[in-house]
Amino acid sequence: LAKTTQPISMDSYEGQEVNITCSHNNIATNDYITWYQQFPSQGPRFIIQGYKTKVTNEVASLFIPADRKSSTLSLPRVSLSDTAVYYCLVGDGSFYGGATNKLIFGTGTLLAVQP
Amino acid sequence: GAVVSQHPSWVICKSGTSVKIECRSLDFQATTMFWYRQFPKQSLMLMATSNEGSKATYEQGVEKDKFLINHASLTLSTLTVTSAHPEDSSFYICSASDLSSYNSPLHFGNGTRLTVT
Repeated sequence: LAKTTQPISMDSYEGQEVNITCSHNNIATNDYITWYQQFPSQGPRFIIQGYKTKVTNEVASLFIPADRKSSTLSLPRVSLSDTAVYYCLVGDGSFYGGATNKLIFGTGTLLAVQP
Repeated sequence: GAVVSQHPSWVICKSGTSVKIECRSLDFQATTMFWYRQFPKQSLMLMATSNEGSKATYEQGVEKDKFLINHASLTLSTLTVTSAHPEDSSFYICSASDLSSYNSPLHFGNGTRLTVT
């Protein structure tokens, strides 16, 4: 299982773009990169998932370089409500056909957005 | 999207009693579910993998006789904390993935706050 390393915390202001980078040097060929957001006393919420290059959805973008040893979650124009812990996880997403892979959480990044 | 429901959201019990937590996948089937626990200001720690129709697989250091897991159907897994003690007080979270969709990410329940007095 690939280990991930993220900054423990980051500070930002409302309206700014926030980029959180995650290092995963031992990522395997079949591993996907998934980011989750967690508010206090709630379960993690799926944000975005990718395998390579760039993925964008309505809430975030995920940038993955060619070597896939890192990834960057980009949150455009953050607001106060984006204050949360963000987790980067890597794992084999082959749940199809009965294969499974457990996801191990790292320390996460506490993003604090100030007015 | 895929929804995972946990019940109860919080529970208070006396030391020595047992508590059951339910995890349901509401709109998809899940052969496998995962149980995590989280202490304040810490990350999620994987406790066990719950497999439908078979025994759960526990992570190292997790007592299988204390944390009983039953996965009787493709939409329900239960975690029973037996003979609970104050040190079992924690936030328990389950997760599951939609098998019908390739590479579907894990979806998490909203957690259960257990307080043992």
